[in-house]
Amino acid sequence: KAGVTQTPRYLIKTRGQQVTLSCSPISGHRSVSWYQQTPGQGLQFLFEYFSETQRNKGNFPGRFSGRQFSNSRSEMNVSTLELGDSALYLCASSLGDGGEAFFGQGTRLTVV
Amino acid sequence: LAKTTQPISMDSYEGQEVNITCSHNNIATNDYITWYQQFPSQGPRFIIQGYKTKVTNEVASLFIPADRKSSTLSLPRVSLSDTAVYYCLVGLGEGFKTIFGAGTRLFVKA
Repeated sequence: KAGVTQTPRYLIKTRGQQVTLSCSPISGHRSVSWYQQTPGQGLQFLFEYFSETQRNKGNFPGRFSGRQFSNSRSEMNVSTLELGDSALYLCASSLGDGGEAFFGQGTRLTVV
Repeated sequence: LAKTTQPISMDSYEGQEVNITCSHNNIATNDYITWYQQFPSQGPRFIIQGYKTKVTNEVASLFIPADRKSSTLSLPRVSLSDTAVYYCLVGLGEGFKTIFGAGTRLFVKA
């Protein structure tokens, strides 16, 4: 079966701009979680969506937002980009029962 | 959510068995223990999950003592390609809010 697809793979943005990242989960998976990974902070949980509802949220500012569509595809948006937002953004899909999560390859965002 | 503590790094040689222990003293009754593997610039990959005693699959074993305050991931006969970061996670069986710790960086030498 097809894996988790994240687009785009690479992105360069300027400070102050906004960005939207996309994640297509594995067919049948209703949960999509987003993570930010940086060398200094490791993997940090952003939020989780399950059946179009945000079910869990990490400790990130309101500039980070997301949504999930009826087909389970999810997007995350970062507004007013800062240099510190440069990171690998990963999404993971699962059935939403705490079992195995499947991660995408990530989107590497560089803010200049 | 239970906090986890793992060694920051470990070295091993090809063909050896590697055991990585994770401490999770405040694990809750309905928490599961899950391990992931991550290679550079890739997303983490599920290795194994367990609740108690021992779980084994084709790539690893997971040992969980009766008090469940720690767990040990066992990788039999590691190869160079097992060089990666290994994360121990503890969380609810339902409701997915997975918190990754710093992980253990395993370096396998020839």
